[in-house]
Amino acid sequence: GDSVTQMEGPVTLSEEAFLTINCTYTATGYPSLFWYVQYPGEGLQLLLKATKADDKGSNKGFEATYRKETTSFHLEKGSVQVSDSAVYFCALSDPNSGGSNYKLTFGKGTLLTVNP
Amino acid sequence: DADVTQTPRNRITKTGKRIMLECSQTKGHDRMYWYRQDPGLGLRLIYYSFDVKDINKGEISDGYSVSRQAQAKFSLSLESAIPNQTALYFCATAGQGGRDTQYFGPGTRLTVL
Repeated sequence: GDSVTQMEGPVTLSEEAFLTINCTYTATGYPSLFWYVQYPGEGLQLLLKATKADDKGSNKGFEATYRKETTSFHLEKGSVQVSDSAVYFCALSDPNSGGSNYKLTFGKGTLLTVNP
Repeated sequence: DADVTQTPRNRITKTGKRIMLECSQTKGHDRMYWYRQDPGLGLRLIYYSFDVKDINKGEISDGYSVSRQAQAKFSLSLESAIPNQTALYFCATAGQGGRDTQYFGPGTRLTVL
């Protein structure tokens, strides 16, 4: 079945540091890939997505590239801010998995704390 | 106004009680989902519905039931709550198409004593 593995946290960085959160996946078909962010006390918000190989999703300075050859979708940001402190979830949606399921499969989440 | 709303936002109840969590959406989406979030486990799918007459079990449906009262409303019930159902519960919606983004509500924090 489908699965998502992302690096375990917590990750603690200083402001303006470079961020990478690794994410790899297993899927039976050709999934779409997502990064969701959950700020403290809130629900999940879509951060970025990519729907096919070599696509790059980007938003708010974050980027991730869909790498089919390495089954990866690593999240990066060149200079993090205190306001980026949140839990980040990698997820996939595989419409070819078991028929028309259209479900999201999530990683376990990575807590990022950015200190001033 | 939020596109996906959940009520209540917080609930404390006792073992054995029946609890209903409600979700409403104004996005006009056909697909709706219920997830639970536990620390260190990410989000796990409880039930999902593609329209009013189509309801499907997710990976952890035992102990839960759902009702899709209308396109815009999808409720989750715990018939007899137990402490290990203490968690954060999220409703989500999505439009047609397998690659559509899911939009999440703010969550309901449920504590079962």
